[in-house]
Amino acid sequence: AQSVSQHNHHVILSEAASLELGCNYSYGGTVNLFWYVQYPGQHLQLLLKYFSGDPLVKGIKGFEAEFIKSKFSFNLRKPSVQWSDTAEYFCAACSGGYNKLIFGAGTRLAVHP
Amino acid sequence: NAGVTQTPKFQVLKTGQSMTLQCAQDMNHEYMSWYRQDPGMGLRLIHYSVGAGITDQGEVPNGYNVSRSTTEDFPLRLLSAAPSQTSVYFCASSYASSEGEAFFGQGTRLTVV
Repeated sequence: AQSVSQHNHHVILSEAASLELGCNYSYGGTVNLFWYVQYPGQHLQLLLKYFSGDPLVKGIKGFEAEFIKSKFSFNLRKPSVQWSDTAEYFCAACSGGYNKLIFGAGTRLAVHP
Repeated sequence: NAGVTQTPKFQVLKTGQSMTLQCAQDMNHEYMSWYRQDPGMGLRLIHYSVGAGITDQGEVPNGYNVSRSTTEDFPLRLLSAAPSQTSVYFCASSYASSEGEAFFGQGTRLTVV
């Protein structure tokens, strides 16, 4: 069955620390990959996406993600986090038609000043 | 531009009551979906629609009904609420050509007692 798994459920960092959130997907064919972010009290927003081409994609607010096909991974990175990055991060995949997204369980990131 | 609007934002129901969660989008998106978000499980697809008059079941459809009479609106009906339906519900919309990229509403937090 198609699935998305996120390695860490809770991450606590200090400001200026580097961030890497793991995401692995299980799909048989072509897949589009996404990272969404949910800031406290807000709706989900698209952080970045990968459809094809350069496996290193850059998103908003200094985030980037690398698609590694051989590892079925799409990890999210940021070199230096800020307090305002405190949020829940969801990895998601879409394969086939109708834009049906499969989400990972989410990672809650807390950044301390 | 309002995007995706959900009402209400909060709701408390008694077991067995029925209610409708409203979702409207003003972006002329063909596709609309309902997800529920539960701790540790990410978002799971309840129902989706690919156009007016066309709906289909997602991963967790039991206990929910939908209809899509217009492009703009996609209400979710709980016929007889159960405590297991306590969750946060998100409506999403997207262009058919967006390959999975979706816009989300702010969510409805539902508690069934």
